[in-house]
Amino acid sequence: KAGVTQTPRYLIKTRGQQVTLSCSPISGHRSVSWYQQTPGQGLQFLFEYFSETQRNKGNFPGRFSGRQFSNSRSEMNVSTLELGDSALYLCASSSRGLGTGELFFGEGSRLTVL
Amino acid sequence: DQQVKQNSPSLSVQEGRISILNCDYTNSMFDYFLWYKKYPAEGPTFLISISSIKDKNEDGRFTVFLNKSAKHLSLHIVPSQPGDSAVYFCAASARESRADGLTFGKGTHLIIQP
Repeated sequence: KAGVTQTPRYLIKTRGQQVTLSCSPISGHRSVSWYQQTPGQGLQFLFEYFSETQRNKGNFPGRFSGRQFSNSRSEMNVSTLELGDSALYLCASSSRGLGTGELFFGEGSRLTVL
Repeated sequence: DQQVKQNSPSLSVQEGRISILNCDYTNSMFDYFLWYKKYPAEGPTFLISISSIKDKNEDGRFTVFLNKSAKHLSLHIVPSQPGDSAVYFCAASARESRADGLTFGKGTHLIIQP
């Protein structure tokens, strides 16, 4: 079956702009979580959505937001971009939700903020 | 405050020998641990997991050992193969906070030398 699909794969923005990233989970998976990967901090949890509801949020400012649609597809948005937001943003889906089993990751969206 | 620590940013091992990747954690509430493997330009893929009720879990060439008293786990790869060259992430979760997301270490870059 098709894996987790993230779009776009690469994008370049300037400071102050906003960006929206998209994630299509594996068919049948209702949990979608987002992670930020940077060389210095590793993988950090942003938030998780399950059946269109945000279940929890990591320690990120309010500029980072997300949503999930009825078909389980999810988007995350970052407003007022800062240079430090440059990172690989990974989406993961799961059939049972966080911490209960393996996550299936997409290939990520690499954001560069200039 | 890093709750999951992978103190070796990189590790070089000769092909055919054993690779041992280490991970330490500080949160005594963690009761489920996973290892993920990541190739460049790809998302992490699940490798193996272990619950705190066990001290060892084996899957082919991969074995994870858990020492709860030392809050330490390790991943053994025997024998190491060139395709094992990747970044390995250790992750943990706590039953009480399943929705908080997995807590990842910063990763160890394993390099298998021919």
